[in-house]
Amino acid sequence: DAGVIQSPRHEVTEMGQEVTLRCKPISGHNSLFWYRQTMMRGLELLIYFNNNVPIDDSGMPEDRFSAKMPNASFSTLKIQPSEPRDSAVYFCASSTGTVNTEAFFGQGTRLTVV
Amino acid sequence: QKEVEQNSGPLSVPEGAIASLNCTYSDRGSQSFFWYRQYSGKSPELIMSIYSNGDKEDGRFTAQLNKASQYVSLLIRDSQPSDSATYLCAVLGRYSTLTFGKGTMLLVSP
Repeated sequence: DAGVIQSPRHEVTEMGQEVTLRCKPISGHNSLFWYRQTMMRGLELLIYFNNNVPIDDSGMPEDRFSAKMPNASFSTLKIQPSEPRDSAVYFCASSTGTVNTEAFFGQGTRLTVV
Repeated sequence: QKEVEQNSGPLSVPEGAIASLNCTYSDRGSQSFFWYRQYSGKSPELIMSIYSNGDKEDGRFTAQLNKASQYVSLLIRDSQPSDSATYLCAVLGRYSTLTFGKGTMLLVSP
């Protein structure tokens, strides 16, 4: 199994530009999570999908952030317009969604907004 | 607001010693608890899970859970320099989402 695959691994963009992060979960996993990690705030849950449906998006910081999961094998996290404070490592994780399930993380996308 | 608290460290131990990492959580209804290890620049990887009060051992790792005290710990025996990493405590909440502590950095010196 290839694990959770994220792209790009690194992204540098200018303030105001649109950024799209991509994630392919582990095949057969029906839960997908987007997390953001910073030194100050640690690992924060942004949004959670189950069976492609957004279940909990209370962690999405503001309307500039949006996430989609058009099918079971692909999700995107979009930031438009991007701001320097969005600079962080964004992780995608997936799980089987069953009780006591564990989440498997992708390698992350390091986003720098200048 | 559900919270998971960890001492940020760094926790420094000599090679061969026991490292003890601690975590407290605020949601008394939490039932599942996980320890993730994260090397610098890498993604978190699961090393232990625990669901019942008491101890759970896996090789050099022992997880301990006390739900009455809302306390979870991770013991690493015979610590190795390769154990140097940040250890994240995670608590499973509703909707099967994990809430993470900010992590404790462990440094094992040769």
